[in-house]
Amino acid sequence: SYELTQPPSVSVSPGQTARITCSGDALPKKYAYWYQQKSGQAPVLVIYEDSKRPSGIPERFSGSSSGTMATLTISGAQVEDEADYYCYSTDISDDDRVFGGGTKLTVL
Amino acid sequence: EVQLVESGGGLVKPGGSLRLSCAASGFTFSSYRMNWVRQAPGKGLEWVSYISSGSSFISYADSVKGRFTISRDNAKNSLYLQMNSLRAEDRAVYYCAREKVETDHFYFDYWGQGTLVTVSS
Repeated sequence: SYELTQPPSVSVSPGQTARITCSGDALPKKYAYWYQQKSGQAPVLVIYEDSKRPSGIPERFSGSSSGTMATLTISGAQVEDEADYYCYSTDISDDDRVFGGGTKLTVL
Repeated sequence: EVQLVESGGGLVKPGGSLRLSCAASGFTFSSYRMNWVRQAPGKGLEWVSYISSGSSFISYADSVKGRFTISRDNAKNSLYLQMNSLRAEDRAVYYCAREKVETDHFYFDYWGQGTLVTVSS
């Protein structure tokens, strides 16, 4: 079955840039999506179609994708950005809906 | 405003059954594909099941295939998940999620708040 791989944790100081990666063999042909999940809450979409930001998501959140790797970048991370972040995509045939294992972002 | 509200979670013994519901409002439910996604305590998100807008197409994760059944009632704006032969490893928060479909791709754009299922003797 298809897999997306993320680092388990990323840590930055407030105001620094946080980068969270997601690797998957189908990413050259499939979009990556990013969800933010704060403790005890439902996931929220923060990036769709590799690099688009839904309305209401701060401009410090951006996304990119190159080859088999997608990246979520938080420029000038804030304490309130502490959360788990999950990438999502599908396999090449759209049969599998797959989440990455999640990355815990610590901002302190 | 799009709202998805899950219900039906609770404590069940191993081998038991439970039926989850998701009440949708704020959008034309019958036009959207829907999914169930779960999250075990302290673990990541796991897609569970998908149903097309008219119930013609359904799929399941291997981990629940043969035990869980997804369904929907478009007249009642509701999504369901019948869970049978429950195991300890099915313990999780279960979210219903709306699927947004673009030309050649799709993703979850709205999620409910989830309902907790605990499987324990």
